[in-house]
Amino acid sequence: EVQLLESGGGLVQPGGSLRLSCAASGFTFSSYAMSWVRQAPGKGLEWVSTMSGSGGSTYYADSVKGRFTISRDNSKNTLYLQMNSLRAEDTAVYSCAKGGEMGAMLVYFDSWGQGTLVTVSS
Amino acid sequence: DIVMTQSPDSLAVSLGERATINCKSSQSVLYSSNKKNYLAWYQQKPGQPPKLLIYWASTREFGVPDRFSGSGSGTDFTLTISSLQAEDVAVYYCQQYYSTPQTFGQGTKLEIK
Repeated sequence: EVQLLESGGGLVQPGGSLRLSCAASGFTFSSYAMSWVRQAPGKGLEWVSTMSGSGGSTYYADSVKGRFTISRDNSKNTLYLQMNSLRAEDTAVYSCAKGGEMGAMLVYFDSWGQGTLVTVSS
Repeated sequence: DIVMTQSPDSLAVSLGERATINCKSSQSVLYSSNKKNYLAWYQQKPGQPPKLLIYWASTREFGVPDRFSGSGSGTDFTLTISSLQAEDVAVYYCQQYYSTPQTFGQGTKLEIK
């Protein structure tokens, strides 16, 4: 059974930094692209970033480009999101999601974590 | 960016009746080389992460009840629930994964009439 468990969320001041983690199990982690998707309170889904299984390719939403960095450690089956220069509009539940087909980066998400809440406020 | 627009924003249907949700993309998500539509549907219940229902526009995810079906091609897509059950109350999202940034529709809230 696929399991994705996020951690690292919390309250941070505008301009601050936070690092999210997503611990994965139940599948061959290095074979699948992994993504971060966020959902502001009471709002819809917004894709944030995707990294290929090898870690060699990345995509970012324009809203986070230059501020957020996605990475992964395939030896630890863990995905990360380093978030710098945080803004109030980054407040959201951040979920990691597994790509639905081996090797594909542009792909649907077949498993999601429960998410971790990031609140940016002074 | 491809804009995904769902209609309606909310929908109330009686138990056992058909529910239909539409999703329109601002450009085609049909990839000509493999004839696949890069379109997925998700269901999200309160306090839960989204759950994949349909991918490639019409392929039902394993374990999803067959009352859920997806159809359409190019720019116009539909999610149909053939006989609404109480547990289907949720928000439904479409998503295109044809190009980056991957984008979602705004969501359709489905309730019981």
